[in-house]
This record gives sequence, structure tokens and C-alpha cells, in this order.
Amino acid sequence: AQSVTQLDSQVPVFEEAPVELRCNYSSSVSVYLFWYVQYPNQGLQLLLKYLSGSTLVESINGFEAEFNKSQTSFHLRKPSVHISDTAEYFCAVNLGSSNTGKLIFGQGTTLQVKP
Amino acid sequence: NAGVMQNPRHLVRRRGQEARLRCSPMKGHSHVYWYRQLPEEGLKFMVYLQKENIIDESGMPKERFSAEFPKEGPSILRIQQVVRGDSAAYFCASSPRKTADTEAFFGQGTRLTVV
Repeated sequence: AQSVTQLDSQVPVFEEAPVELRCNYSSSVSVYLFWYVQYPNQGLQLLLKYLSGSTLVESINGFEAEFNKSQTSFHLRKPSVHISDTAEYFCAVNLGSSNTGKLIFGQGTTLQVKP
Repeated sequence: NAGVMQNPRHLVRRRGQEARLRCSPMKGHSHVYWYRQLPEEGLKFMVYLQKENIIDESGMPKERFSAEFPKEGPSILRIQQVVRGDSAAYFCASSPRKTADTEAFFGQGTRLTVV
């Protein structure tokens, strides 16, 4: 069965420090990969996605993620975090073979940025 | 263009009552997905609907839960005879197309509390 594992449930980090949120997936078929961010009491917002092409994808607010097929990973990174990055981050996969928008989510990682 | 609208934002029901959750997709979107987020967990797929059709309900509990997306009006997730274990955040997402690489836009969720 396909699954998504986010290895860290909570990641505390000081402001302006670098951060990496880890995501691994298991699938025997090709996948599309997404990172969503959820601010307190809000819905999910798409942060970035990998569909094809360059394995490094970037968001407009400084996050990036790299698709590593051999390690089945899609880790999210930011070189310098801000207080406003405090939120919950979800990694998700879509099985391309499903031909629908159905997503399989990881358990989520809470990023806590401290001043 | 308003985003995905869910109402109510918060819903309190006593055990045994019915809960009705509404989702109005973004304008022009005819594909709707419902997800459930239990405390301390990631989102779990429940059901995928197109206008007037249920396409994939593989994540729906077999009893008490139903969903519809009529030709006119919002999509409705209905939970009959609620139990404490139904307490969760329920998110709706919509997309303009069915394909796996299409971004889904999420609503702010309905937080159901069963007392």
C-alpha cells in the first residue's frame, strides 16, 4: 500500500536558522509530490509541487524541495526561517496512475520558529 | 473569485444527532474531495465527487456517512447518529479538472465536536 511518512512530528528552530522537514513515500508507481502548509485554524495552502522535470522545486517564500527518486524522498528546506513560518507542514503524494486528484498525506510536521 | 467555502466553521453536536457539513467549491470547479483530519494526525481521504456523481468513496466509513454534490448547490457531507470518534476537522478541496497533476484548493475546514 502506498504511504507517506514525515519523520519528525515537531521541529523547533530559532529564527534565521536553516530547517529541513523530511518526507518519504512508498509507491511502486510514478507519483506527483506536494507540500502543503496549514496555519492555525486555517485550511491547507499549496506551498510547492513536483510533477516532472527539474527535481528541485521552489516556492515564492524561500522554501525548496528536492525529489529524490532513488531514496523516495521529497524533503522540504529553507535556508533561513522567519517567525511567520510557524505552521504545520504536510507532505502529500498523488498516484499518477489514479488519474484523479486524490491525495495521500503524511502525518504532518509542526514547525515552531522561536525568536 | 472566492475560494472554497465551508460552513459552518465550527459545529457542536450531541451523540446521536446528525451533522451536515457544506462545501461550495471555487467557481468553475466541478470536482470535490472530502478529507478528515483526526487530532494529531494527517488528512485522510474520504470521498471524491463530481457534479451529481460519487467517483471514489473508498475512504468513507461504511455506515452513517454519506456525501452528495448536486447539480445546483454545495456539496454536503452528512454524518448520521454522530459518536465521539467523529470529532475531527473535515476539509473540502476542489479542482477544475480530474487529473492527478491538478492542484486542489482547500477550504478552511469544519471542526466538528461531538459531546
